[in-house]
Amino acid sequence: GDSVTQMEGPVTLSEEAFLTINCTYTATGYPSLFWYVQYPGEGLQLLLKATKADDKGSNKGFEATYRKETTSFHLEKGSVQVSDSAVYFCALSGGSNYQLIWGAGTKLIIKP
Amino acid sequence: NAGVTQTPKFQVLKTGQSMTLQCAQDMNHNSMYWYRQDPGMGLRLIYYSASEGTTDKGEVPNGYNVSRLNKREFSLRLESAAPSQTSVYFCASKTGTPNTEAFFGQGTRLTVV
Repeated sequence: GDSVTQMEGPVTLSEEAFLTINCTYTATGYPSLFWYVQYPGEGLQLLLKATKADDKGSNKGFEATYRKETTSFHLEKGSVQVSDSAVYFCALSGGSNYQLIWGAGTKLIIKP
Repeated sequence: NAGVTQTPKFQVLKTGQSMTLQCAQDMNHNSMYWYRQDPGMGLRLIYYSASEGTTDKGEVPNGYNVSRLNKREFSLRLESAAPSQTSVYFCASKTGTPNTEAFFGQGTRLTVV
């Protein structure tokens, strides 16, 4: 079945560092791919998405490119801030009824 | 602009008590979902409803029941709460089409003592 694998956390970085959170997937067909963010004590909210191969999703300085050849959707940001501290989830739209298949989440800690 | 609304936000139950978590969405979405999130773990799907009138089990359905009351509302019931059901519960909704994202409620923090 469809699945999503994310790098384990926590990931700890200093402010202004470059961020990469790896995400790879297994899926039949051509799923849409998503990154969600969960700030402490809150629900999940969509950060960015890509719906076909080579699409680049971007939002709030974060980017991710849908790479079909490597089945990856890595999240990147050039210069992180303390306010980016959160848990990040990678997901794909697949399975029955196009429900979302979730990665385990990666906790990001940014130190000033 | 409410989106997905969950009630209550916090709840403490004694072992064996029952309760219903309520969820409503105002985006005319067909699909609705209940997840639980435990410390250090990702989301686990409890039940989902692909459309009004249908419900299906997810990954961890034991100990739970659901009702899709109408297109807007999808409730989760714990008939006899157990400490293992201490968790944060999230409701989500989305359209039934493949390229769309899910929208989440703010969560219900449930503690069973």
